[in-house]
Amino acid sequence: EAGVAQSPRYKIIEKRQSVAFWCNPISGHATLYWYQQILGQGPKLLIQFQNNGVVDDSQLPKDRFSAERLKGVDSTLKIQPAKLEDSAVYLCASSRSTSGRETQYFGPGTRLLVL
Amino acid sequence: GENVEQHPSTLSVQEGDSAVIKCTYSDSASNYFPWYKQELGKGPQLIIDIRSNVGEKKDQRIAVTLNKTAKHFSLHITETQPEDSAVYFCAASKGNQFYFGTGTSLTVIP
Repeated sequence: EAGVAQSPRYKIIEKRQSVAFWCNPISGHATLYWYQQILGQGPKLLIQFQNNGVVDDSQLPKDRFSAERLKGVDSTLKIQPAKLEDSAVYLCASSRSTSGRETQYFGPGTRLLVL
Repeated sequence: GENVEQHPSTLSVQEGDSAVIKCTYSDSASNYFPWYKQELGKGPQLIIDIRSNVGEKKDQRIAVTLNKTAKHFSLHITETQPEDSAVYFCAASKGNQFYFGTGTSLTVIP
């Protein structure tokens, strides 16, 4: 089966600009996650969707970050306006289950550099 | 919330030797513990996982052990090969929430 797809793979922007990332999860996977991975650290959850509803967005900086999951399939993550500290890899992951204890499959990530 | 600590942060071993990475977690309700391997420029890939009703699981050269009482779990790689060089992350999960360790950079020296 096809894996989790993400685009773009790389993005360089200046601070205060806007940027959007796209994720297409594995077909049939109900749960979708967006993580932020700063260099040298583990992934940190930003937002979790179950189908097209938000399950957890407690660590999403809502003043500048937003995300949606279109029709319970694809998802976009937006940053507006970007700050220098947003430079990181943004990982999308999906899992089949809505009940937990299920494997997450990660995409290749989008590497964002804010200048 | 859950707090996952991972040690060591870097590990170098000779090819053929074993490597051990250890993680501790704080929330006794966590019940699923996956390990991921992340190669440069790629997303994390699941290599092995263990559930709270099991104490040990093995898959070829990779094994994971879980001590629920002490709230720690470990990854063991035997007969290491240069292609095992990567960053390894542990994670603890309850429900659909995953909490990751800070990663271990493993270098296997030929």
